Amino acid sequence: SQTIHQWPATLVQPVGSPLSLECTVEGTSNPNLYWYRQAAGRGLQLLFYSVGIGQISSEVPQNLSASRPQDRQFILSSKKLLLSDSGFYLCAWSVNRLNTEAFFGQGTRLTVV
Amino acid sequence: AQTVTQSQPEMSVQEAETVTLSCTYDTSESDYYLFWYKQPPSRQMILVIRQEAYKQQNATENRFSVNFQKAAKSFSLKISDSQLGDAAMYFCAYRGGADGLTFGKGTHLIIQP
Repeated sequence: SQTIHQWPATLVQPVGSPLSLECTVEGTSNPNLYWYRQAAGRGLQLLFYSVGIGQISSEVPQNLSASRPQDRQFILSSKKLLLSDSGFYLCAWSVNRLNTEAFFGQGTRLTVV
Repeated sequence: AQTVTQSQPEMSVQEAETVTLSCTYDTSESDYYLFWYKQPPSRQMILVIRQEAYKQQNATENRFSVNFQKAAKSFSLKISDSQLGDAAMYFCAYRGGADGLTFGKGTHLIIQP
């Protein structure tokens, strides 16, 4: 069966520090991968998605970047965090077909102080 | 761009009663999929139900069913015999391609014992 791992679960970082959140998927190959952010009291905003190694599409201009160095690994990064980067970050994967739902990791709560 | 609107920030229902959560969406595509996700306090995103746009029959999953009105672009979720474990945030989501799901802002469902 397929599983998705996302870490860390909680992170407190000072303003201006770098960020690296990692997500890996097991039990499938060539998945579509996604990074979402959920601000307090709001829905999920798609940040990045990837349909293959090295292929990254950005949905929202921001202080963050994403990379996919391996087929089942997706990394969310920032060189210098802002207070506004605080939020709940969710990694997700789906089969590369239209008619499939996304499966989510357990999320990372990021607090920038 | 597709948009998903959930007009009810919060709903409350007595245990064992029925509640309907509303969702409307806007798209120019003819082939797409709709989903309802549940997010309990653990913040894990759990798929509740899915609906293919080309199917006229409304999807059902045990106590959960949808009322899909394609012409009206409406996709409501009905929860029958509400249980305390149904308390959560519920998100309506749209998928029209490989670029991920578009989510509404969510409805907070409260179950009154």
